[in-house]
Order: sequence, then C-alpha cells, then structure tokens
Amino acid sequence: DSGVTQTPKHLITATGQRVTLRCSPRSGDLSVYWYQQSLDQGLQFLIQYYNGEERAKGNILERFSAQQFPDLHSELNLSSLELGDSALYFCASSPSGGGRDTQYFGPGTRLTVL
Amino acid sequence: QKEVEQDPGPLSVPEGAIVSLNCTYSNSAFQYFMWYRQYSRKGPELLMYTYSSGNKEDGRFTAQVDKSSKYISLFIRDSQPSDSATYLCAMSDGQNFVFGPGTRLSVLP
Repeated sequence: DSGVTQTPKHLITATGQRVTLRCSPRSGDLSVYWYQQSLDQGLQFLIQYYNGEERAKGNILERFSAQQFPDLHSELNLSSLELGDSALYFCASSPSGGGRDTQYFGPGTRLTVL
Repeated sequence: QKEVEQDPGPLSVPEGAIVSLNCTYSNSAFQYFMWYRQYSRKGPELLMYTYSSGNKEDGRFTAQVDKSSKYISLFIRDSQPSDSATYLCAMSDGQNFVFGPGTRLSVLP
C-alpha cells in the first residue's frame, strides 16, 4: 500500500457527461500528479500540483481540469467525455514535487465511457 | 527520437532465469533513475531508485546506470512467476519526470 488513495475505483458513464476523480496524497506529500493510461499504453502525464499551485502541465486536454485543495487532496475533472477517454487514471504523490523525489502511485480509477 | 525508449517486449522467460530490462534515453541532464513494476491494472510501485551512474542491488534486483551511454538496466535474478508484470523505467533531470513505455514480462513456471 503506497498510502495514496483514489476514489472511485471504477466509474462507468456515457459520452458527453462530466466526472470527478479524487486523490488523497501520502501523509506529508505536497505534490500530486495525474496520469492517464489507456489499454496497453504507457503512462501519459497530465498535470502536476504542488501545495495548491499548478507546477507542470503535460498532454492534458482542454476538456480536463484539475485542482489541489488546501488539505492537499486533488480532483481531476473530465467533461464532455468521449469514448477515447476510457482509461485508467492514476494519481501519484511526492514530498516536494522536485525531480529528486520518487512518485508513489495510487491504485487508479478505471473510467469507462459508453 | 523519443526522450526515453524501452525494449518493447513482451518478454517470456522460464522460472529461475536472469532477466535484463533496458532503457535508453537522449537527455544527458537526467540524473535520477527509477524502475517501477506494474501489475495488470494496478498502480505502478517503485522498485529501485538510483542517482547518477553505478549499480544498486536490492535482493534479487540490480539496477545499473551508464550515463556515458545513456543506458539503464534492471536485472532480475532467479525470476519468479510473481515477477510477471510490466516494468517501467523513469528518469528525471531534477525538475521534469519522464516514464518509458514499459516492458511486459512473463515468467513461466
């Protein structure tokens, strides 16, 4: 158990809908990362937050947004969902968000868009 | 050229074999190198973390970094069926983090 929690574990929804994925980092970690992993694909970095502020942005679609709250949990919002958004979404956390850190991953949320 | 490339696999070996997993990279600024193991549909878990060149051993796992060749390896000795997973290399220059695409390993009993 990495100490990173993600909810829900599974989510099934329809095209055009909006969903929110939630992540709680390990105790003491200030940085949160979001990744998307499609079937048999590698991890695609979406976005990173550090202590409430956006630190880095990857290949995140405009339909997607995220935020990190004062208690350091983070939410990833996915809107106008398309079939191609079906994937595993992972959250990871690290102590300071710097490159010397290692990232600890949550169990993921499996999103299915029908 | 991708920033990080990894042997695509899949790789199948018999139980007890020595496994070598490899990544190459192009950014000479990378200094921190990691290997993650990901079981099917689970979150990646950190296996090894190394800084700069050299070897690091942890049980049956050895991580090797050759910065001059921009090449890193993970060796698994006495491989077990429980080692069957996808292995991801990752590296950082101190600010940016990049993952390789992963190599799927199957260890056959």
